[in-house]
Amino acid sequence: AQKITQTQPGMFVQEKEAVTLDCTYDTSDQSYGLFWYKQPSSGEMIFLIYQGSYDEQNATEGRYSLNFQKARKSANLVISASQLGDSAMYFCAMREGYNQGGKLIFGQGTELSVKP
Amino acid sequence: EAQVTQNPRYLITVTGKKLTVTCSQNMNHEYMSWYRQDPGLGLRQIYYSMNVEVTDKGDVPEGYKVSRKEKRNFPLILESPSPNQTSLYFCASSLLGGETQYFGPGTRLLVL
Repeated sequence: AQKITQTQPGMFVQEKEAVTLDCTYDTSDQSYGLFWYKQPSSGEMIFLIYQGSYDEQNATEGRYSLNFQKARKSANLVISASQLGDSAMYFCAMREGYNQGGKLIFGQGTELSVKP
Repeated sequence: EAQVTQNPRYLITVTGKKLTVTCSQNMNHEYMSWYRQDPGLGLRQIYYSMNVEVTDKGDVPEGYKVSRKEKRNFPLILESPSPNQTSLYFCASSLLGGETQYFGPGTRLLVL
C-alpha cells in the first residue's frame, strides 16, 4: 500500500495566485514527520517545510504553509502568491518514528507550472 | 556553509565497470542515506547509516554497497553496474530524528 499519495501529477496556477498541492499519508505510528521538497528542473532537492505529528499549529515558512489535518491524514502544501520561479516538481515525504533515524518515504510528486 | 556534496555530478559508464559515488557532509550528522530517483517512482531509499560502522539496507539495495568509516563520508559503490541502475542518485544527511534532511546536488548516472 502506498504510504504517501500525491493525486495531482500536474497543476497550473496563475502568477500571484495561491495554489494547494495535495498529499495524503498512511501510517500507524503516533510519532512521524511530514516534509515537502521542491525539485526544480536543475534537479536538486530543496527542503521547504516540516510538520511534526505532535505539532498543534500548521507549519509556515515564508510563502509556504502546510495544512495539516491529522484525522484525515493529509498534509497539503499551500503556496501563496505564486511566482514564476515556483515552477518545479514538488514532493511530499514522511518519516515514520524518530527511532528510525531519518528514512523518508516519498510520494510520486506534483509538477507545478506557474503561468505569467 | 552547511552542505552535502556528491561527486561526480554526472557519470557515463559501461556495464560491469566498478564505480564509486562519494558523499560528504559537514554538519556532523549521524544519519546518512542514499536514494535513487526514477520517473514515475519518486525517490526510493537504497541504503542508510545511523552512525559510523552502522549501515543497513533500504528498499532497493540490490547491486549496491556502502561503507561508513568516517562520520562525514558515505560512499555508494556499484561493483558491477547494469543498465537498470541508470538513475539520478541523491545522498542525504540529518540528525537522528531531525526535522530537516539535507540533500546533495544529485549524481546522474548512465550505464551503457
